[in-house]
Amino acid sequence: EVQLVESGGDLVQPGRSLRLSCTASGFTFGDYALSWVRQAPGKGLEWVGFIRSKTYGGRTDYAASVIGRFTISRDDSESIAYLQMNSLKTEDTAVYYCSREGLLWFGAKYHYYMDVWGKGTTVTVSS
Amino acid sequence: QPVLTQSSSASASLGSSVKLTCTLSSGHSSYIIAWHQQQPGKAPRYMMKVEGSGSYNKGSGVPDRFSGSSSGADRYLTISNLQSEDEADYYCETWDSNTHRVVFGGGTKLTVL
Repeated sequence: EVQLVESGGDLVQPGRSLRLSCTASGFTFGDYALSWVRQAPGKGLEWVGFIRSKTYGGRTDYAASVIGRFTISRDDSESIAYLQMNSLKTEDTAVYYCSREGLLWFGAKYHYYMDVWGKGTTVTVSS
Repeated sequence: QPVLTQSSSASASLGSSVKLTCTLSSGHSSYIIAWHQQQPGKAPRYMMKVEGSGSYNKGSGVPDRFSGSSSGADRYLTISNLQSEDEADYYCETWDSNTHRVVFGGGTKLTVL
């Protein structure tokens, strides 16, 4: 069974750091890009960032709201992706999901889409 | 980058059909989008991707009652024979190959009457 399991969510004070993990199983982790998505209480889904597979350079991209504070990395040998969150703010309070990115090629263009989701882990930033 | 526009709410009766719409902003009408369902208190679930041609591919285990289609900049999710478990928030999502960022629509809250 294809599965993603997030962990590491906690209650932290503003300005502190936290690292989330996303552990994958049931598929060849290294072949896929991964995204992190968050959902603040009562709000919609917000994309946080993205890491490509090593085949495509392992490059990362981030939402403007987290650039310079959050970093995504991956350990393909352990099938784990990480979200390192520094300088946390109260507005970072949310459920954080990881998602697998399917990849479509059409001609010379490509397109990513989220095709598997984890169940999420809760981060609360409060003093 | 593209903007995805969804109605904030929709409602339909048990056993009827409903068509949810996700509209791509100007200049992005050819984009592929994905639909995700989020039942109350649960994680999102991938439902299908819909191409500009109208072709769609569903995720594993998605019931036959769910289908996709497309017209111009609009991407649709149609649910037939509505069931109580279809009551959920539905989000559309796309990838922008120019900015390398993901965009979500605001979501449609579907109520089954």
